[in-house]
Amino acid sequence: AIQMTQSPSSLSASVGDRVILICRASQGIRSDLGWYQQKPGKAPKLLLYGGSNIQGGVPSRFSGSGSGTEFTLTIDSLQPEDSATYYCLQDYSYPRTFGQGTKVEV
Amino acid sequence: DVRLVESGGGLVQPGGSLRLSCAASGFSFPTSWMAWVRQAPGKGLEWVANIKEDGGERNYVDSVKGRFTIYRDNAKNSLYLQLRSLRVEDTAIYYCVRDTSVELDKMWFDALDTWGQGTVVSVSS
Repeated sequence: AIQMTQSPSSLSASVGDRVILICRASQGIRSDLGWYQQKPGKAPKLLLYGGSNIQGGVPSRFSGSGSGTEFTLTIDSLQPEDSATYYCLQDYSYPRTFGQGTKVEV
Repeated sequence: DVRLVESGGGLVQPGGSLRLSCAASGFSFPTSWMAWVRQAPGKGLEWVANIKEDGGERNYVDSVKGRFTIYRDNAKNSLYLQLRSLRVEDTAIYYCVRDTSVELDKMWFDALDTWGQGTVVSVSS
């Protein structure tokens, strides 16, 4: 199975900051990667798919980039409601695998 | 409104069985891949299984192969997960998820775009 590694495990930032979350795959996965946001006690929510394509209704301050083995999720102008855990998920091969998550505190 | 509602969770002893159900509404269930994702208490997300529109293809994570079965009833707009030989480590919230494919510039991308609220499975003696 492809291993997905996210860094950092957690971070704390201020309102208005730009934060960059990293996700690395143990082998090349083209752009077959999604990013998900999960707030405490809630189901995860799709933010981006295909590495960089934003899901409808997601604020434009979220953006993604990368291909192959290294990917980033950038949150520009961090807002209080962005406090959450963020997961990457590879959909290149089975079994699908998630990263362990990055907890963002605003 | 696109909606997924899980049910069937509960407390079960190790070695026991349980069937989870997911009722879908607001979209074309028969033309949608579907999946189950779980989350152990205080832990991250784990993809469990998915199933093709017609049920003709199913994929599983290794840790549940031979014990869990994903299946669907398109006439009832319902997805199921049969859990057998349950272990303590299967304790988790189980989410029903729509597994969508999106075409962009002649390329197809997968996305888990709709999630239910989850149903809790607790395996304990």
